[in-house]
Amino acid sequence: GDSVTQMEGPVTLSEEAFLTINCTYTATGYPSLFWYVQYPGEGLQLLLKATKADDKGSNKGFEATYRKETTSFHLEKGSVQVSDSAVYFCALSDQGNAGKSTFGDGTTLTVKP
Amino acid sequence: DAGITQSPRYKITETGRQVTLMCHQTWSHSYMFWYRQDLGHGLRLIYYSAAADITDKGEVPDGYVVSRSKTENFPLTLESATRSQTSVYFCASSEGGTKYNEQFFGPGTRLTVL
Repeated sequence: GDSVTQMEGPVTLSEEAFLTINCTYTATGYPSLFWYVQYPGEGLQLLLKATKADDKGSNKGFEATYRKETTSFHLEKGSVQVSDSAVYFCALSDQGNAGKSTFGDGTTLTVKP
Repeated sequence: DAGITQSPRYKITETGRQVTLMCHQTWSHSYMFWYRQDLGHGLRLIYYSAAADITDKGEVPDGYVVSRSKTENFPLTLESATRSQTSVYFCASSEGGTKYNEQFFGPGTRLTVL
C-alpha cells in the first residue's frame, strides 16, 4: 500500500536559517503530493502541492519539487521565521484510493529568534 | 460561515458515557473524514465517507460509529468512551473525484475521557 516517510523531528533552527524537511513516498500509481502545516491549536492546512513529476509547489517562501525518480518531495525554505514554527506533514493522494490521503507522521519545527 | 466547523471544541467526559462530535462543511464536498491525532502516532484515520449514506472504516474504527444522512454533516459517536480515546479529533473534507484530493481540516475537538 501507499506510505509516506518524513524526517523525524523535532527540528530546531535559528531565525533566517535554511530549512529542509525530507519526505519520501511509496505509491502504486502516480500520486499527487502535498505539504500541510499545523500551527499550535489548529487543524492542518494545505501549504503547497504538486500533481505530477517535476512540478514545483510553492507558497509563503516554501518550495517542494516532485521527484519521481527518487520518490521524494522535500520541503525547503531559504530563511525561516519564528512564525514558521509548526508541525509539517507530507502527504500523498492516489487516484482511485476512495479520496483518501496517506500522511507522514509530521515533523515539528521550532524557530528561535 | 463558509468552511468546515467542529463542535464542541473541548469536551471532558467520563468512561462509559456516549459522546458525539459534530462536523459540518459548507462546500458540498463529497468526501469527509475523521482522524485522531495522538503524540507519537501522527494522524490516524477512523472513518471516512464518500457521499451521503456511504461510510467505510479507516485504520482505527473500533469503538466509534459514524453516520452521514446529509452531505454536509458527518458526526462521530463514541458509544462507550474509554480513556484510550482521549485525543484530538479532526474532521476533514475533500472534493474527491480527481487525483488532487486535497483535504480541508476543521479546527479539531480536544476530548478528554476521565
